[in-house]
Amino acid sequence: DVKVTQSSRYLVKRTGEKVFLECVQDMDHENMFWYRQDPGLGLRLIYFSYDVKMKEKGDIPEGYSVSREKKERFSLILESASTNQTSMYLCASSLFPGLGLPGELFFGEGSRLTVL
Amino acid sequence: GENVEQHPSTLSVQEGDSAVIKCTYSDSASNYFPWYKQELGKGPQLIIDIRSNVGEKKDQRIAVTLNKTAKHFSLHITETQPEDSAVYFCAASDNAGNMLTFGGGTRLMVKP
Repeated sequence: DVKVTQSSRYLVKRTGEKVFLECVQDMDHENMFWYRQDPGLGLRLIYFSYDVKMKEKGDIPEGYSVSREKKERFSLILESASTNQTSMYLCASSLFPGLGLPGELFFGEGSRLTVL
Repeated sequence: GENVEQHPSTLSVQEGDSAVIKCTYSDSASNYFPWYKQELGKGPQLIIDIRSNVGEKKDQRIAVTLNKTAKHFSLHITETQPEDSAVYFCAASDNAGNMLTFGGGTRLMVKP
């Protein structure tokens, strides 16, 4: 069964702290994504990676960085957390599309981050 | 870039009634339109998708229609059941890569 696992379901951090959100997939997917989910704004893409050590900025990369050292693991890093980064963070993975269309996204259950 | 608008933001129906969620998109190059369902405490899951060369697609009680001229697409759920209660997201993408742009989401509540 397809599985995307996010390491923490709930985190509470203080302003200025460095935050690591970890995501692991067991499907051997090439692509991995980090989205941010806020009410009324849907899912907004922060960063994605289509291969190990490769990364591309999404729509809202400011204040975030990512790391992909192994194919199955994609980390989201908040170098200095701020209150406006309080949100639900969703990791996803997909196969590389072979027919010119995006592959189905498989999401983790999310990590709810509160920054005080 | 692409912009996807989704309406309504909340929808309440009686069990057995139909539900319709509508989305519009801005980029005429978009050619792939998936719908994701997010149940409480879970990540979104793909329930149906449609490509631009097709006007309608059905899968049991759910269907999606696409009007490329008007740049809008809709999700139709018939004979709603309590387990249909969830947040639904539409999205749009072109064939240039993996970038999906999502709508703002619709919270569907099916009352028994």
